[in-house]
Amino acid sequence: DSGVTQTPKHLITATGQRVTLRCSPRSGDLSVYWYQQSLDQGLQFLIQYYNGEERAKGNILERFSAQQFPDLHSELNLSSLELGDSALYFCASSVGGDASSYEQYFGPGTRLTVT
Amino acid sequence: AQSVAQPEDQVNVAEGNPLTVKCTYSVSGNPYLFWYVQYPNRGLQFLLKYITGDNLVKGSYGFEAEFNKSQTSFHLKKPSALVSDSALYFCPMNRDDKIIFGKGTRLHILP
Repeated sequence: DSGVTQTPKHLITATGQRVTLRCSPRSGDLSVYWYQQSLDQGLQFLIQYYNGEERAKGNILERFSAQQFPDLHSELNLSSLELGDSALYFCASSVGGDASSYEQYFGPGTRLTVT
Repeated sequence: AQSVAQPEDQVNVAEGNPLTVKCTYSVSGNPYLFWYVQYPNRGLQFLLKYITGDNLVKGSYGFEAEFNKSQTSFHLKKPSALVSDSALYFCPMNRDDKIIFGKGTRLHILP
């Protein structure tokens, strides 16, 4: 158990809908990262927050947004969902904000299926 | 330009044999290098990290990796493979403050 929790575990929704994925980092970790994993694209970095502020941005679509709250939990909002958004979404956390220096601890993921 | 590469998409090893999963890098300065593993239907798990100092880094589950500056490599090794080591292994890189995991190397341990 990494100490990172993600809810829900599974999500099935229809195209055009909006969903929110939630992540609680390990105790003491200030950074939260979001990733999307699909068979064809591998594990893709979406966005990182550090202590409430956006720190780095990856291949995140404009339909997607995230935020980190004062208690350090984070939410990833996915809107206008398309079939291609079906994937595993992982959250990870680390102590520091420098992604190249600190190991990340991953949650169990949320499997999103868009029908 | 900084880069890290895993040249093999898949590696097959017989149970009990030594295993190596390759990672090569090109970074300036003192690199921070990592290995992660993803078991089926699970999130990634941190295995080990090289910062500076001892070139041989020991990690979880009996894995180790050797930082080789002359060959610019950071290969993951284990002396005797277990079937339970079958998983997806990642040697991520950092580019412009973003961690790039890519598709990893799938390790199959054959019983």
